[in-house]
Amino acid sequence: QVQLVQSGAEVKKPGASVTVSCKASGFSLSDYYIHWIRQAPGRGLEWVGVINPRDGSSSSAPKLQGRLTVTRDTSAGTVYMHLRSLTSEDTAVYFCAKDIDTVTSFWFDPWGQGTLVTVSS
Amino acid sequence: EIVLTQSPATLTLSPGERVTLSCRASQSVSSKLAWYQQKPGQAPRLLIYDASKRATAIPARFSGSGSGTDFSLTISGLQPDDFAVYYCQHRNNWLGTFGGGTKVEVK
Repeated sequence: QVQLVQSGAEVKKPGASVTVSCKASGFSLSDYYIHWIRQAPGRGLEWVGVINPRDGSSSSAPKLQGRLTVTRDTSAGTVYMHLRSLTSEDTAVYFCAKDIDTVTSFWFDPWGQGTLVTVSS
Repeated sequence: EIVLTQSPATLTLSPGERVTLSCRASQSVSSKLAWYQQKPGQAPRLLIYDASKRATAIPARFSGSGSGTDFSLTISGLQPDDFAVYYCQHRNNWLGTFGGGTKVEVK
């Protein structure tokens, strides 16, 4: 069964960093792109980044470039999203999601359960 | 950057009704469009991809159509489980973009 299980909620102060993990089961991280999407409270969905299964490289949405990094530990079956220099604008539920195709389609299924990141002084 | 506009923002309907949701792109996206369903407190679920292909285990009452700039998601007979928020999504140049969503609520 393909499944993604994320780490628990985080509370951070402005300027701090946060790392959210996403443990995969039922497939190999060497075969599928893993994306990150966030949702601010009461708002819509925003794609924020992705990791390439072939070489572990990552890319992010333009507004987050320089602050977002996605990494993986293939042996542990886990992907990590690291976001630096947090502001209140980063308060959101962060979801990881598997691409449906091994040649990235940017269609996401399934999704992790979500991790709430709260940035507050 | 391509902008996706969903309409209407909210639909108030009764179980059993047929509903069509709209998603319009600011420029042509060919057939590169997906639809997701999200219920309160849950992660979204992929319903339709490539504009008209149903995702795994999605019931046949969900169908997608369109190409270019105008797309539709139709639910042919609303079930109690279908009341939720629906998002369309496009991919372009290594960037995923979502529409603002349409909430389908119970009358």
